[in-house]
Amino acid sequence: DQQVKQNSPSLSVQEGRISILNCDYTNSMFDYFLWYKKYPAEGPTFLISISSIKDKNEDGRFTVFLNKSAKHLSLHIVPSQPGDSAVYFCAASAQGSGNTPLVFGKGTRLSVIA
Amino acid sequence: EPEVTQTPSHQVTQMGQEVILRCVPISNHLYFYWYRQILGQKVEFLVSFYNNEISEKSEIFDDQFSVERPDGSNFTLKIRSTKLEDSAMYFCASSQHTYNEQFFGPGTRLTVL
Repeated sequence: DQQVKQNSPSLSVQEGRISILNCDYTNSMFDYFLWYKKYPAEGPTFLISISSIKDKNEDGRFTVFLNKSAKHLSLHIVPSQPGDSAVYFCAASAQGSGNTPLVFGKGTRLSVIA
Repeated sequence: EPEVTQTPSHQVTQMGQEVILRCVPISNHLYFYWYRQILGQKVEFLVSFYNNEISEKSEIFDDQFSVERPDGSNFTLKIRSTKLEDSAMYFCASSQHTYNEQFFGPGTRLTVL
């Protein structure tokens, strides 16, 4: 039962262009969403989060958009840099119900080409 | 910058043996978690821990697993009798509150032969 889905296993983008990573979820109890970046042999590194009371959150080159009606969120990276090449995981939790374990998607491998 | 640390980085064990994976969460964090990632699959929640007791656990976290905070800094995951399917990366995470982002350690790669 995939409650959090990242349907694109990989994405290639030219340096300087925008990277858009997508994530869909099925559990309507999810109210907090996070994006993590993971390099090989390292743990996931927190990037940015968004609460369900918002539809956009921005931090530098990273912006997360949330569309609650579509149960969809996306991460925009602009401009993309070679150092952004990593696996990106979308995660969700249902904090309003007191249930805070993160449910992860399978990840999207981003390759930024110089 | 404070970080979550984990030891060992790689553990190889024989099936049926007990293993203990160790984690030092960020010092002012109160909530602790274990996750695992089997090769090629997604990161899966195992257990959360607060105030010296388990607050949530998944179906994966059966009687073979236990967690402990033996002192003020360490947080351990014990697998009593390892199975081949326990081979995975095990990640420890911590957060200041339940509504904060969780910070992950670098992981321990467990290989069960």
